[in-house]
Amino acid sequence: AQSVAQPEDQVNVAEGNPLTVKCTYSVSGNPYLFWYVQYPNRGLQFLLKYITGDNLVKGSYGFEAEFNKSQTSFHLKKPSALVSDSALYFCAVRDPGDKLIFGTGTRLQVFP
Amino acid sequence: SQTIHQWPATLVQPVGSPLSLECTVEGTSNPNLYWYRQAAGRGLQLLFYSVGIGQISSEVPQNLSASRPQDRQFILSSKKLLLSDSGFYLCAWEGGGLVNTGELFFGEGSRLTVL
Repeated sequence: AQSVAQPEDQVNVAEGNPLTVKCTYSVSGNPYLFWYVQYPNRGLQFLLKYITGDNLVKGSYGFEAEFNKSQTSFHLKKPSALVSDSALYFCAVRDPGDKLIFGTGTRLQVFP
Repeated sequence: SQTIHQWPATLVQPVGSPLSLECTVEGTSNPNLYWYRQAAGRGLQLLFYSVGIGQISSEVPQNLSASRPQDRQFILSSKKLLLSDSGFYLCAWEGGGLVNTGELFFGEGSRLTVL
């Protein structure tokens, strides 16, 4: 069975500093991995995905994520955080042909 | 381009009243459609999904039901709301069959408060 874990409920970072939001997964085959962002009272917005190929995936708003097969991780990163990046971030995984499974979310707070 | 619309955006209903939330997708055909509920601004609970007209799969036994009367229309309903039905309801779509790229695309959500 597939599963995804986001070990941090909240991540705090100062504006201008690099940020990392952690995600680990468990699937039976080769995973499809995703990151979404949710601003207050809004729907989820797709940020980036890994299907195959280069382990470093670049997405919207300057975010990127690194697929690490040996550590079964797909951490979200950004070199320099903005206050406007403050939001709820969801990692998701799916086995091809199966449904998308979401993590519990990590709240990112960027302080000026 | 494809778009997804949900309405109403906000709803306040008394306990025991009926519910109807509607979701439509434009710019694509034969999408897979999903209803999620998000409680307390955190985790997502998959309620229903549909791969075609009249085809509904329920993930969790609920006081809710879903219908897909048209290819790009997905409706979430209840005959009698409970307090526990309060939450933020999200509709999502993905390409069906060979056009599926893996990710879901979400609507803006409907916030339901049951009093």
